[in-house]
Amino acid sequence: DQQVKQNSPSLSVQEGRISILNCDYTNSMFDYFLWYKKYPAEGPTFLISISSIKDKNEDGRFTVFLNKSAKHLSLHIVPSQPGDSAVYFCAAGSNFGNEKLTFGTGTRLTIIP
Amino acid sequence: GAGVSQTPSNKVTEKGKYVELRCDPISGHTALYWYRQSLGQGPEFLIYFQGTGAADDSGLPNDRFFAVRPEGSVSTLKIQRTERGDSAVYLCASSLNRGRGTEAFFGQGTRLTVV
Repeated sequence: DQQVKQNSPSLSVQEGRISILNCDYTNSMFDYFLWYKKYPAEGPTFLISISSIKDKNEDGRFTVFLNKSAKHLSLHIVPSQPGDSAVYFCAAGSNFGNEKLTFGTGTRLTIIP
Repeated sequence: GAGVSQTPSNKVTEKGKYVELRCDPISGHTALYWYRQSLGQGPEFLIYFQGTGAADDSGLPNDRFFAVRPEGSVSTLKIQRTERGDSAVYLCASSLNRGRGTEAFFGQGTRLTVV
């Protein structure tokens, strides 16, 4: 059972426009969520996180929105830049766990110059 | 080094052989994780160390998989009697474990291919 789902395997966005990546989860025990970015042949790199007590967290061009009632979160990147082309993973964790993360299957973002 | 280091970066082995994958975490990080990423999937949790002890090994798929961290720093993931289905990228991550949601820093992974 996939507890964290990223239903769009790929997304293409024009440079300068907004990129919106979506993530859904099923486990209501998740207390925090993270987005990781991954380039080929590299490990995932942390981007931004959000606690379940918040509905928005912003860091520069990156903003994560959380809708707990819908069990949905999204990552907004604006403006999108060519260097943003990568695979983005949504991940979730629980305060009652041990900080292990449950990952989605990823969305490949391509920024078109 | 400044980041999490994993060796080897690539490993090709024959079915039935034994392999060891090494992880050097960031200095001072008490928490260490192993994940496995199969093609087209996200990383899947295998095992978590807090210091020297395996605090959670619930993600290990079967008893052919074992991991150690004897001195609370370097960790080794050991796979016995490898099978073709073990082929994947094995990722190691470490964190300061300062609190929930502290981001983990990942290594570049070891790509294991069982032929």
